[in-house]
Amino acid sequence: SAVISQKPSRDICQRGTSLTIQCQVDSQVTMMFWYRQQPGQSLTLIATANQGSEATYESGFVIDKFPISRPNLTFSTLTVSNMSPEDSSIYLCSVDPGQGYEQYFGPGTRLTVT
Amino acid sequence: DQQVKQNSPSLSVQEGRISILNCDYTNSMFDYFLWYKKYPAEGPTFLISISSIKDKNEDGRFTVFLNKSAKHLSLHIVPSQPGDSAVYFCAASVTGTASKLTFGTGTRLQVTL
Repeated sequence: SAVISQKPSRDICQRGTSLTIQCQVDSQVTMMFWYRQQPGQSLTLIATANQGSEATYESGFVIDKFPISRPNLTFSTLTVSNMSPEDSSIYLCSVDPGQGYEQYFGPGTRLTVT
Repeated sequence: DQQVKQNSPSLSVQEGRISILNCDYTNSMFDYFLWYKKYPAEGPTFLISISSIKDKNEDGRFTVFLNKSAKHLSLHIVPSQPGDSAVYFCAASVTGTASKLTFGTGTRLQVTL
């Protein structure tokens, strides 16, 4: 398994601003993922972030709204841009350590947009 | 289009009894299935998985059953313990899709004394 930390753990932001969420892994991994869990909903994949290449976004998510960086094999950031109250969610990063199909998740960032 | 469904949002079971959590899927391309457990304010924790070439996988108190013809899987917890109280998500993946997981909506399990 892998130990994953996220910063911040929670934040309250005003609409129109941006927030960058950091994800740090204790080992080198090729594949990292960003998910969103809206209130009462399932986890929805936002994008896949592989080191050395552009992130791959899922349908309904665009780079201008959710820019992602992946500067090395242990770190990634997700920015939620020009926030609106609909962006209020838990944002989670996960990694695939390459041992199978299991992904390991960080503790999440709870974002509230007012 | 919800490709993975957990139709029971909540389940209450007495300590020591069996908990059965169900999950249905619609995409016949899914060939790997996983269960995750999530406590409040924590990320999901991997619990157990099963490949479509099997119909059962067991790990201690946890057993997952897969019925491909019915596109249905279930997680059995025996015996249930109060520490099992959490939200359980099933997830599905297609081999060769770079580990992309599709999650169900979750079932909140409460194990009572």
